[in-house]
Amino acid sequence: AQSVTQPDIHITVSEGASLELRCNYSYGATPYLFWYVQSPGQGLQLLLKYFSGDTLVQGIKGFEAEFKRSQSSFNLRKPSVHWSDAAEYFCAVGGGYSTLTFGKGTMLLVSP
Amino acid sequence: GAVVSQHPSRVICKSGTSVKIECRSLDFQATTMFWYRQFPKKSLMLMATSNEGSKATYEQGVEKDKFLINHASLTLSTLTVTSAHPEDSSFYICSARDSLAGGPATDTQYFGPGTRLTVL
Repeated sequence: AQSVTQPDIHITVSEGASLELRCNYSYGATPYLFWYVQSPGQGLQLLLKYFSGDTLVQGIKGFEAEFKRSQSSFNLRKPSVHWSDAAEYFCAVGGGYSTLTFGKGTMLLVSP
Repeated sequence: GAVVSQHPSRVICKSGTSVKIECRSLDFQATTMFWYRQFPKKSLMLMATSNEGSKATYEQGVEKDKFLINHASLTLSTLTVTSAHPEDSSFYICSARDSLAGGPATDTQYFGPGTRLTVL
């Protein structure tokens, strides 16, 4: 069965500092991996996705993620966080027309 | 592109009434849509997979007679919460796959903005 672990329930980062959100997955085949962001009371917005090829994926809003098969990880990074990045971030795994499995999310707080 | 809308954005109803939530893909065709439920401080729980022109596939533990799903066209799926009770109060989110995206891109799900249901 596929699963996603986001070990950090919440993270606080100073504005302008770098960010890394962790995501580990379990999947029986080549995974398709996604990061979504959710602002309070809103739906989910796709930040980036990995299907194959280059393991460093660029997304919107200056985010990137790196797929590391040996570590079963797909961590999300941003070099300089803005106050508007404060939100909940979800990592998800799926593939081959299967349903997505989401992690429990990481709440990002940005301090001045 | 790839915009999904939901209507209404929030609804308050009395216990025992039924509520219909619409999910539309605005600029693409979606033979498959998904309905999720999200509790406060929790991740998304997949309720069912909605397939255009056929019956929905429900996840284990989800009452199909309570949560009626209809996917009558390539751009519209509806979720009807029948005889709603306070415990059905939640945030319901739909998503859709672009049927014509091709290849693995078809696996990408685009989410609607969600519907906040409050049952009094």
